[in-house]
Amino acid sequence: NAGVTQTPKFQVLKTGQSMTLQCAQDMNHEYMSWYRQDPGMGLRLIHYSVGAGITDQGEVPNGYNVSRSTTEDFPLRLLSAAPSQTSVYFCASSRDRASVDGYTFGSGTRLTVV
Amino acid sequence: RKEVEQDPGPFNVPEGATVAFNCTYSNSASQSFFWYRQDCRKEPKLLMSVYSSGNEDGRFTAQLNRASQYISLLIRDSKLSDSATYLCVVNIPSNTGKLIFGQGTTLQVKP
Repeated sequence: NAGVTQTPKFQVLKTGQSMTLQCAQDMNHEYMSWYRQDPGMGLRLIHYSVGAGITDQGEVPNGYNVSRSTTEDFPLRLLSAAPSQTSVYFCASSRDRASVDGYTFGSGTRLTVV
Repeated sequence: RKEVEQDPGPFNVPEGATVAFNCTYSNSASQSFFWYRQDCRKEPKLLMSVYSSGNEDGRFTAQLNRASQYISLLIRDSKLSDSATYLCVVNIPSNTGKLIFGQGTTLQVKP
């Protein structure tokens, strides 16, 4: 049982490039979300999904797109990378829409935009 | 006011010490509460859920005070391996599943 798998673990992008951060879970979890974590800022919600075909914006959605075509996958797309998007990105999932059991996190993607 | 507030620390304690962290939350309708542990440059991991009656897991005790809207985590007999950041997390009742994270309290246990 792999849990939540994020790829890649590290990435360096040039300003203006686009890329997709992958997130997959094999626990049949309904809820999935993307966070970014910056020093002194804590975890900030980018986008989330309560099920296949349903997504919504979080606290800091600008510059990012998501889709949820299957229960398992929740990719995060950076449309045109900017240095301000240098961060550590975590994908998280929970069993149900209410997240009463908390989240399981992926191991993170460390992104640097130069 | 932040929805979940924690003292960022750092708390520097010697091995064997007992240390307590508090966390306050603003939404009185919050229903689920958690403590997560995050090691440097790693993902947060669930340490324990917090129940109304209080709960214990080995050296760790979590308590909830709904009237005062705070959550606590007590660590007894601190180990070097307890050094980490501890995140207080609250579930706001809704259909969105979003958890609200505090910014974390850093604990450094020294020999």
